[in-house]
Amino acid sequence: QKEVEQDPGPLSVPEGAIVSLNCTYSNSAFQYFMWYRQYSRKGPELLMYTYSSGNKEDGRFTAQVDKSSKYISLFIRDSQPSDSATYLCAMSHQAGTALIFGKGTTLSVSS
Amino acid sequence: DVKVTQSSRYLVKRTGEKVFLECVQDMDHENMFWYRQDPGLGLRLIYFSYDVKMKEKGDIPEGYSVSREKKERFSLILESASTNQTSMYLCASRPGEHYNEQFFGPGTRLTVL
Repeated sequence: QKEVEQDPGPLSVPEGAIVSLNCTYSNSAFQYFMWYRQYSRKGPELLMYTYSSGNKEDGRFTAQVDKSSKYISLFIRDSQPSDSATYLCAMSHQAGTALIFGKGTTLSVSS
Repeated sequence: DVKVTQSSRYLVKRTGEKVFLECVQDMDHENMFWYRQDPGLGLRLIYFSYDVKMKEKGDIPEGYSVSREKKERFSLILESASTNQTSMYLCASRPGEHYNEQFFGPGTRLTVL
């Protein structure tokens, strides 16, 4: 079983839809969870960062962590064409250790 | 804002050439990383550096070496480029060992012919 699993998609939605992106993981020691957004031919940019379980909201984006299920989600409300990108989840068990990345989900939002 | 820059966006080299990829960060970060990203394989860590003149192997160091002579600069060296090193190379930096967030550069798309 891979440490971090992420459905590669592609996921296609109409503008205005609510998008749910997910990752599952196997290492129960993971405590730090991140979501990166990567536009085509660009480097990943940090979108959301959460510690342990719970929700974090930033504008149209909500990151959710369920440690009991080893499952993290990123919700995008009122999706826009500019949200079209690949979304990578990343996690680590301890500050300063290596990040383990999912392979990314490609999202396409059509106007 | 953290700025991580990479010397080239696109690079084409021939098999057997020695290739240098440069990365510079302007936020006095202690840690720096080199990844390659390939379709279906995701991001894979090649090397990282906790501090000047320090380096650690990542998951796929074979065929690569690194140099960190100054805090802001981290170089990736392909000693003898091969076609299977055609990839997107991403540099990242992190403030220090008590942090998790990594900040990425724009990437270098390397093609080895």
